[in-house]
Amino acid sequence: GAVVSQHPSRVICKSGTSVKIECRSLDFQATTMFWYRQFPKKSLMLMATSNEGSKATYEQGVEKDKFLINHASLTLSTLTVTSAHPEDSSFYICSAPSGVNEQFFGPGTRLTVL
Amino acid sequence: DAKTTQPPSMDCAEGRAANLPCNHSTISGNEYVYWYRQIHSQGPQYIIHGLKNNETNEMASLIITEDRKSSTLILPHATLRDTAVYYCIVRVAPGNAGNMLTFGGGTRLMVKP
Repeated sequence: GAVVSQHPSRVICKSGTSVKIECRSLDFQATTMFWYRQFPKKSLMLMATSNEGSKATYEQGVEKDKFLINHASLTLSTLTVTSAHPEDSSFYICSAPSGVNEQFFGPGTRLTVL
Repeated sequence: DAKTTQPPSMDCAEGRAANLPCNHSTISGNEYVYWYRQIHSQGPQYIIHGLKNNETNEMASLIITEDRKSSTLILPHATLRDTAVYYCIVRVAPGNAGNMLTFGGGTRLMVKP
């Protein structure tokens, strides 16, 4: 199946700093990618839809100025957590659709903000 | 997308069939049933999907009731590596893979030796 990668897989940062997470579709192009957040023992919650060539669409309650999304190319979307705080610590997962049936998920990025 | 209801957890003995139920009583005619699973600290993985006929692939079988209000995912010979959270998701038809997925609570399947 199609492969989606994320980088980094794990990051620890100090409170107040910004962290960039990359999501790449390795063997297919994706005009749309999705960013999810998952807290411990909870389900995935959609944060935003990343659109190549246009602005991202954010879910209700997600601050667009805090979670900056850039869909730089047909194979790359980035999520930047700005001025990170401990409550932003979470597992961030991206996905991209390929073909007509499936979405492929990245392996996730675990963010810990100290 | 229609809401789904799954038991929060299930146990299964290694080598036995794991049958994971899902209720989706408000499913509409153009909505498919999809199953994904998430192994601990990994991204979700697509398993199978169907509309109204039973489906089978190398990973699992999907049984959908005639009224389409519920379905069962069957792992025929569960292994320890099948321990994961299984999500049943109802969404619009294929061809719209670009639509986002809405995850419910899922079922935490524990396969025991």
